[in-house]
Amino acid sequence: NAGVTQTPKFQVLKTGQSMTLQCAQDMNHNSMYWYRQDPGMGLRLIYYSASEGTTDKGEVPNGYNVSRLNKREFSLRLESAAPSQTSVYFCASRLAGAYEQYFGPGTRLTVT
Amino acid sequence: DQQVKQNSPSLSVQEGRISILNCDYTNSMFDYFLWYKKYPAEGPTFLISISSIKDKNEDGRFTVFLNKSAKHLSLHIVPSQPGDSAVYFCAASHVGGSEKLVFGKGMKLTVNP
Repeated sequence: NAGVTQTPKFQVLKTGQSMTLQCAQDMNHNSMYWYRQDPGMGLRLIYYSASEGTTDKGEVPNGYNVSRLNKREFSLRLESAAPSQTSVYFCASRLAGAYEQYFGPGTRLTVT
Repeated sequence: DQQVKQNSPSLSVQEGRISILNCDYTNSMFDYFLWYKKYPAEGPTFLISISSIKDKNEDGRFTVFLNKSAKHLSLHIVPSQPGDSAVYFCAASHVGGSEKLVFGKGMKLTVNP
């Protein structure tokens, strides 16, 4: 099992460019999440998907969109990147009925 | 309004000694608490958890204590090893809201050989 995988690992964007961060899990988990981690800020939830076909906003959704493509895949899109979106992005998944979330290795995004 | 607080940003201990990492929370609806460990350039990994119906949970060198009246939990690592050097996040889950975790800002633990 690969667990939770994320692509790309690194990305540099110019202000105004768009991109999609990809996440996939092979653990048959129902719920999936996108977080961002900034220095001194911990992990902040951007969007989550409790089950296939549903998505909900988290703490910091502005400037992002998500798509739950199927049970395995949950993508995060930046339509017009801003320097404030420079961060490390983590995807996570969770099995129904459990509390623990399992994280991917992260995508380090820099917006210049 | 920060619901999960890790007030000390860092801790340094000697190898073999005890490491105690603290976490406070403000929301009385939280019913499940978790600790995650994160190495640089990796994703957080689940370490240990505790339900609000318990006051202690132990897994090898790691023990989590919960004091509900004080809204406080702590992670004890005994004995500490250099490989334990990492950032540790405390997280909590709402009653009936198990879809989401609320994370603290993290604490960097350094274990010196």
